[in-house]
Amino acid sequence: GQNIDQPTEMTATEGAIVQINCTYQTSGFNGLFWYQQHAGEAPTFLSYNVLDGLEEKGRFSSFLSRSKGYSYLLLKELQMKDSASYLCAVADSNYQLIWGAGTKLIIKP
Amino acid sequence: IAGITQAPTSQILAAGRRMTLRCTQDMRHNAMYWYRQDLGLGLRLIHYSNTAGTTGKGEVPDGYSVSRANTDDFPLTLASAVPSQTSVYFCASSDRGATDTQYFGPGTRLTVL
Repeated sequence: GQNIDQPTEMTATEGAIVQINCTYQTSGFNGLFWYQQHAGEAPTFLSYNVLDGLEEKGRFSSFLSRSKGYSYLLLKELQMKDSASYLCAVADSNYQLIWGAGTKLIIKP
Repeated sequence: IAGITQAPTSQILAAGRRMTLRCTQDMRHNAMYWYRQDLGLGLRLIHYSNTAGTTGKGEVPDGYSVSRANTDDFPLTLASAVPSQTSVYFCASSDRGATDTQYFGPGTRLTVL
């Protein structure tokens, strides 16, 4: 079966750096997405990786290793507004998105 | 420009009743999706449409139906609601399909009693 694994919850301190991991086993691979979802709101797009390596976008970076079935989202200079759930999703061979359950990130002052 | 709108925002429904959740986008995106989100589970695809006039089944289609008569609208119908359909429902759209960014509506919180 297809599977996306992420930690359920993480805690970090304001101003620090946090890395959220995602491992996947899917039938085929056509790219990996990260979305942010604040409580009670809709998911919003953060990043898309289809080739191996690191993509940097401001305070957020996303890394992909297709051979290892692994990605991470790196958040730097954490702010209180970064408290949210972070969703990992993979586009499979049928071009459908398979979603992880999400990682709830709690930022403490 | 609203992006994607969903109606209603929330609804309490008696089991056995029929219910249609509405979704409208104004971005002229080709693809549209319906997901349900339950606590502890990832977003699960119910139905999708790659272009107006076509629809497909996702991971959890049973008990739900959709139509795509035009580009903008993608309603989701529960023919006879059951308590296990209690969930938050999100509609989303993308321009070119699953490898393109999906834009989500604000969601509909549905409770079936």
